[in-house]
Amino acid sequence: ETGVTQSPTHLIKTRGQQVTLRCSSQSGHNTVSWYQQALGQGPQFIFQYYREEENGRGNFPPRFSGLQFPNYSSELNVNALELDDSALYLCASSWGTSGYNEQFFGPGTRLTVL
Amino acid sequence: DAKTTQPTSMDCAEGRAANLPCNHSTISGNEYVYWYRQIHSQGPQYIIHGLKNNETNEMASLIITEDRKSSTLILPHATLRDTAVYYCIVRGLREYGNKLVFGAGTILRVKS
Repeated sequence: ETGVTQSPTHLIKTRGQQVTLRCSSQSGHNTVSWYQQALGQGPQFIFQYYREEENGRGNFPPRFSGLQFPNYSSELNVNALELDDSALYLCASSWGTSGYNEQFFGPGTRLTVL
Repeated sequence: DAKTTQPTSMDCAEGRAANLPCNHSTISGNEYVYWYRQIHSQGPQYIIHGLKNNETNEMASLIITEDRKSSTLILPHATLRDTAVYYCIVRGLREYGNKLVFGAGTILRVKS
């Protein structure tokens, strides 16, 4: 059984560019959640995908968007990058969306916006 | 917004018990207390959760006060590898969508 993997590990972009981050969920998991973690803070929920549909969203602007594929892997896309988007982006997978279903986190992608 | 309050940081001697407190005075009857930790450069890792009874697993023990307004995570024999940020989270199991609301957490430093 493989755990949650994310790519790339690190990424440097400039302001105004677009970025795509990728997440492969743990085997058997059909739900993926994305979190943003600024330096020195706890992770903040961006959105969740369940069976290829968005299933809840945090307080993030529309330039943060996502996709989930039939194999339940997921992408996070951020358009018009801003300096404040510099953060660790974490992906978590689970089987189902209820509170009974534990989330397993990947190691994250460190995004730096210059 | 996070529903919990935790100290910013704590130190613990290696081999001793680490006791991490958490206040959650507004917890409702159907909400559980969860603990996660995040070791440097890794994603958060689930530790334990409980409703009102004390819980124990291979990683830690969770003590919840009778009024459920506070709890303590206990690492019985802390090692250097337990140095991490520890997050206390309150969440209802019956909520639709299992998002986690993290606060700033407690930085635990285990020292030799």
